[in-house]
Amino acid sequence: AQKVTQAQTEISVVEKEDVTLDCVYETRDTTYYLFWYKQPPSGELVFLIRRNSFDEQNEISGRYSWNFQKSTSSFNFTITASQVVDSAVYFCALSGLSYNTDKLIFGTGTRLQVFP
Amino acid sequence: DGGITQSPKYLFRKEGQNVTLSCEQNLNHDAMYWYRQDPGQGLRLIYYSQIVNDFQKGDIAEGYSVSREKKESFPLTVTSAQKNPTAFYLCASSKLGGDKKNGYTFGSGTRLTVV
Repeated sequence: AQKVTQAQTEISVVEKEDVTLDCVYETRDTTYYLFWYKQPPSGELVFLIRRNSFDEQNEISGRYSWNFQKSTSSFNFTITASQVVDSAVYFCALSGLSYNTDKLIFGTGTRLQVFP
Repeated sequence: DGGITQSPKYLFRKEGQNVTLSCEQNLNHDAMYWYRQDPGQGLRLIYYSQIVNDFQKGDIAEGYSVSREKKESFPLTVTSAQKNPTAFYLCASSKLGGDKKNGYTFGSGTRLTVV
């Protein structure tokens, strides 16, 4: 069965602090995709990143970076020098490629509050 | 522009009534999905469909029904059997299998409230 765990329910930081959101996943598929989404108060989901299980390179996009470690089944997300606009709920998600796992399964989300 | 359209944005339902949420996509995606989100909670999969005229139950299908008569459309009916339907509903679509270059596309959601 597929499962995504985001153990941090809520994180509060002060602006300019770095913050890491944890994501641990479970799957029996050998090939899969991992995603991060941002959900601002409006409710829409904003796509942040997609990572194929074959690609363990870390990725950096501006203040955002992602650390994918297959050995620990983790796909952590770090925001450097956080800003108030980063306040949102962040979801980690997993999708397999076989018939029964080709669907997006979400973690419970981490609410990030960045205070000025 | 291609995308997913969900309607209505807000929906009010009286207890005991069935209501249908619309989801249409013009992305030529094979698969479509319905998720439910409760306040402060994650997104849970209700139903999904990988091909026309076929669909599978997700984790919380009880009290819901769907149809997939056309590739572009995947309406969700919240029946009177759903005891706690007040929630935010999101529809999504994707290509199947390894063609996930563009990931999943989400609609803007429907907020359903029972009055």
